[in-house]
Amino acid sequence: KQEVTQIPAALSVPEGENLVLNCSFTDSAIYNLQWFRQDPGKGLTSLLLIQSSQREQTSGRLNASLDKSSGRSTLYIAASQPGDSATYLCAVRRGGADGLTFGKGTHLIIQP
Amino acid sequence: NAGVTQTPKFRILKIGQSMTLQCTQDMNHNYMYWYRQDPGMGLKLIYYSVGAGITDKGEVPNGYNVSRSTTEDFPLRLELAAPSQTSVYFCASSPTAATNEKLFFGSGTQLSVL
Repeated sequence: KQEVTQIPAALSVPEGENLVLNCSFTDSAIYNLQWFRQDPGKGLTSLLLIQSSQREQTSGRLNASLDKSSGRSTLYIAASQPGDSATYLCAVRRGGADGLTFGKGTHLIIQP
Repeated sequence: NAGVTQTPKFRILKIGQSMTLQCTQDMNHNYMYWYRQDPGMGLKLIYYSVGAGITDKGEVPNGYNVSRSTTEDFPLRLELAAPSQTSVYFCASSPTAATNEKLFFGSGTQLSVL
């Protein structure tokens, strides 16, 4: 059974810092890995998707990497801003129709 | 562009009551999913569907039922609600199960069973 772990569970940093969120998964036979952002009382917004054949994806200040063989992904946020405060969820798709397996998330607070 | 729409946003049920959570998407996606999220936890898959008339169980299906009569709609039925079903429910969709396809999520339904 696929298990996804996210470290740290919570993180608080001053504005302007660069930071890294970590995600690990137990079964390397994945289709893709997605990073989501979740704001309180809201749904999930997809930030980045890395296909199993890819090593990284970038969008603006966000960069996600994937090392499938070691079962690890990182989400790098550059020059953090208070608006980045949210919970960040990592999820893997193992293939077929049965959706995503999620980690518990990292609750991120950026201090102004 | 509405995307994935869930209703209601909030609901309080008494133990033993039944209700249907509605989900509709206007993107003509074949794949639809229902997840639940308990406090401090990741999302867990309840049921999914790969097209109209086809549904299958996910990780935590007990106490729930689904149907998919149209491409657009994927309602989730709770029979005999229990306190353990207090959670936030999310519906999601994707066009296919291809490796480059993202899942699009609704804004969720917060359900309390008292």
